[in-house]
Amino acid sequence: KAGVTQTPRYLIKTRGQQVTLSCSPISGHRSVSWYQQTPGQGLQFLFEYFSETQRNKGNFPGRFSGRQFSNSRSEMNVSTLELGDSALYLCASSSRPGANTEAFFGQGTRLTVV
Amino acid sequence: KNEVEQSPQNLTAQEGEFITINCSYSVGISALHWLQQHPGGGIVSLFMLSSGKKKHGRLIATINIQEKHSSLHITASHPRDSAVYICAVLRGSQGNLIFGKGTKLSVKP
Repeated sequence: KAGVTQTPRYLIKTRGQQVTLSCSPISGHRSVSWYQQTPGQGLQFLFEYFSETQRNKGNFPGRFSGRQFSNSRSEMNVSTLELGDSALYLCASSSRPGANTEAFFGQGTRLTVV
Repeated sequence: KNEVEQSPQNLTAQEGEFITINCSYSVGISALHWLQQHPGGGIVSLFMLSSGKKKHGRLIATINIQEKHSSLHITASHPRDSAVYICAVLRGSQGNLIFGKGTKLSVKP
């Protein structure tokens, strides 16, 4: 069974640009969560999708958005990039929504904003 | 004050030593996760527990709901255990995890 796949693995963008990150969950998993990890703040929850619906959202500005497709693949988008958006973005998939179930993480996308 | 506190922040051990990493939280939770993150970023879920104790190989996780405290133990530590260990809690029924800052473990041969 393939694991959680995140693409791209590394990305360099300029301030003001926008970026789209992709996450393909484990086959059969319909829940995808996104997290941001920075040295200063650690891991923080961004949002969770289940069956194409955003189920939960963390405390991030509206520049951060996401969506989930019918095949459970998810994308997150960050518009008007700021230097502080440089981080490791991780997604995790699980068989059902909520964190009261085992989550499987991808390798992450490391975004650098210059 | 963070809702999830881990200690120690950094830990260096000799191969073979018994290791304990602690996690305290200040909110009501329905589950607690222990995660392992190796250099390069990938995260592996080690345990999810809501009461008692779980064991997997050389790893043992315990939780005391009344005292709002969990511990992760590693017996007979090995250099390949070197990683950052992260505690995360599920607060109530909100469905998202709140993370500790992590404990960086280095096991020397």
